[in-house]
Amino acid sequence: GAGVSQSPSNKVTEKGKDVELRCDPISGHTALYWYRQRLGQGLEFLIYFQGNSAPDKSGLPSDRFSAERTGESVSTLTIQRTQQEDSAVYLCASSLEVISYNEQFFGPGTRLTVL
Amino acid sequence: QKEVEQNSGPLSVPEGAIASLNCTYSDRVSQSFFWYRQYSGKSPELIMSIYSNGDKEDGRFTAQLNKASQYVSLLIRDSQPSDSATYLCAVSGNRDDKIIFGKGTRLHILP
Repeated sequence: GAGVSQSPSNKVTEKGKDVELRCDPISGHTALYWYRQRLGQGLEFLIYFQGNSAPDKSGLPSDRFSAERTGESVSTLTIQRTQQEDSAVYLCASSLEVISYNEQFFGPGTRLTVL
Repeated sequence: QKEVEQNSGPLSVPEGAIASLNCTYSDRVSQSFFWYRQYSGKSPELIMSIYSNGDKEDGRFTAQLNKASQYVSLLIRDSQPSDSATYLCAVSGNRDDKIIFGKGTRLHILP
């Protein structure tokens, strides 16, 4: 596909369950970001993958959150033992990251609702 | 802590007027500057990028960068109701620096 894709588009889960969110970046993009956006709020950085470097996990809010990326392709964000405060839209973005030209392109997001 | 600051708004501008959105950033060595537009319920969409001091024009949009003042702005000429959205300023340093977003300014164009 031409753009960043995410799945599922919507996820409703019960408190305490684990969820996995998937992101397919634009082909060839070396960098991949995950963000969380609560209703009416700004983007909250979660994690950043850049090529083969160790990911920047500084934004993960707790050890219930983890993410993996296989090479320069698909990434999965996992939330264990979900809580109601995890309800938000989770956005993925990718960029080419040529020096100084790291424009990000966003996927449509996954809307997570924890009941 | 690298920061990007924006007035949250809402900024109300009459249709046809110029909307001016402002952003300041803390990291003096920042290299790349972006403006994203986010409609309610949608993902952010890149509308402008600027990398050197001065103005960059694209249609009704003009981005202005002043690295000495650590200030970047977005002007929207002939504002339309369809321009009503939240505008996010984003800044990054060198290639391996992650991009930092401001919290956004809500713009409301009054018909």
